[in-house]
Amino acid sequence: TQLLEQSPQFLSIQEGENLTVYCNSSSVFSSLQWYRQEPGEGPVLLVTVVTGGEVKKLKRLTFQFGDARKDSSLHITAAQPGDTGLYLCAGDGSGTYKYIFGTGTRLKVLA
Amino acid sequence: DADVTQTPRNRITKTGKRIMLECSQTKGHDRMYWYRQDPGLGLRLIYYSFDVKDINKGEISDGYSVSRQAQAKFSLSLESAIPNQTALYFCATNDNRGADTQYFGPGTRLTVL
Repeated sequence: TQLLEQSPQFLSIQEGENLTVYCNSSSVFSSLQWYRQEPGEGPVLLVTVVTGGEVKKLKRLTFQFGDARKDSSLHITAAQPGDTGLYLCAGDGSGTYKYIFGTGTRLKVLA
Repeated sequence: DADVTQTPRNRITKTGKRIMLECSQTKGHDRMYWYRQDPGLGLRLIYYSFDVKDINKGEISDGYSVSRQAQAKFSLSLESAIPNQTALYFCATNDNRGADTQYFGPGTRLTVL
């Protein structure tokens, strides 16, 4: 069974600080996505990474896919209160469009 | 208008009752999914369908059934609800042209007493 473990589970930081969220597995994924979910809403896609070692940037957010395609990280620079939410990673283990979700990291950025 | 809609948004029911959650999409996607979300457990896949004649079990299908009435409609049923099925339920669609983006509905909060 493929599993995706995220760490930390909870994170509370001050506005302006940097942070990194990790998504790890012992399995290889053909692609990995990062979503952000706000209360009362469904998850919304931030990025998809497909190539080992790939780095993608979305404004202050930097996403990296591990060389072996087993792990990924999300780095936020100068966090803002608007970054508050639940961050979820999700992987497609075998290119079958059947997705496994991580347990989530709940981020709170204090003004 | 939202691309993926779910009804109802909230539902409180009693143990043993039959419940149906409905999902409709206007994105024209063939792939549709039902997930449940529990605190600390992320989203877990219940059932998925890649076209009208295709239904597949996910990791937690016991106690649930689905119906794909049309390309745009995918319903989830709880034949006899039990309290540990209290959760947030999400429907999602996926572009069948190869992209990995899933588009989620707003969710249904189900409470089984």
